[in-house]
Amino acid sequence: DAGVTQSPTHLIKTRGQQVTLRCSPKSGHDTVSWYQQALGQGPQFIFQYYEEEERQRGNFPDRFSGHQFPNYSSELNVNALLLGDSALYLCASSLRYTDYGYTFGSGTRLTVV
Amino acid sequence: DAKTTQPTSMDCAEGRAANLPCNHSTISGNEYVYWYRQIHSQGPQYIIHGLKNNETNEMASLIITEDRKSSTLILPHATLRDTAVYYCIVGDTGTASKLTFGTGTRLQVML
Repeated sequence: DAGVTQSPTHLIKTRGQQVTLRCSPKSGHDTVSWYQQALGQGPQFIFQYYEEEERQRGNFPDRFSGHQFPNYSSELNVNALLLGDSALYLCASSLRYTDYGYTFGSGTRLTVV
Repeated sequence: DAKTTQPTSMDCAEGRAANLPCNHSTISGNEYVYWYRQIHSQGPQYIIHGLKNNETNEMASLIITEDRKSSTLILPHATLRDTAVYYCIVGDTGTASKLTFGTGTRLQVML
């Protein structure tokens, strides 16, 4: 049973560019959350998608946007990249309204130069 | 969400029990205690969660004090593969809620 799949695994972008990260949730999961993890820090919640709508949002600017597709997969878009956006971006999937915990992917390492 | 306080780092000998403490003195009545761990270069992994009662699964045991202001994660027989950062998180029940991570405890299991 495949877990959460994220692509690409690594990415290098130039300041000011735009980037799209992709996530396929674990089979049977319907909710996708995105987290940003800077070096040496714990993951920080960006937003969560369920039924193709953004349900919760963390303290991130509008440059961060997302989408969820009918097959539950999701994209994270970041516009006008800053050097400070360099981080590990984690996708977590879950089955809504259960207590079974989140399943995380291994992340996409984004480096902005 | 209530805040949690964890030691920055801990060491444990392989084969011994690892006891990881967490303080959450401002926890509210409907908030659960969740534990996740993150092995280097991987995403966090769910370990266990509980509300009031002690919980045990194939990975670990969770002991929650009666006043719910603190908890302890117990790995009964630590192995080198348990070396990771362990996060104690307090939050609303269910996976509709976000996880608020702190900086966690870095557990080093040694030979």
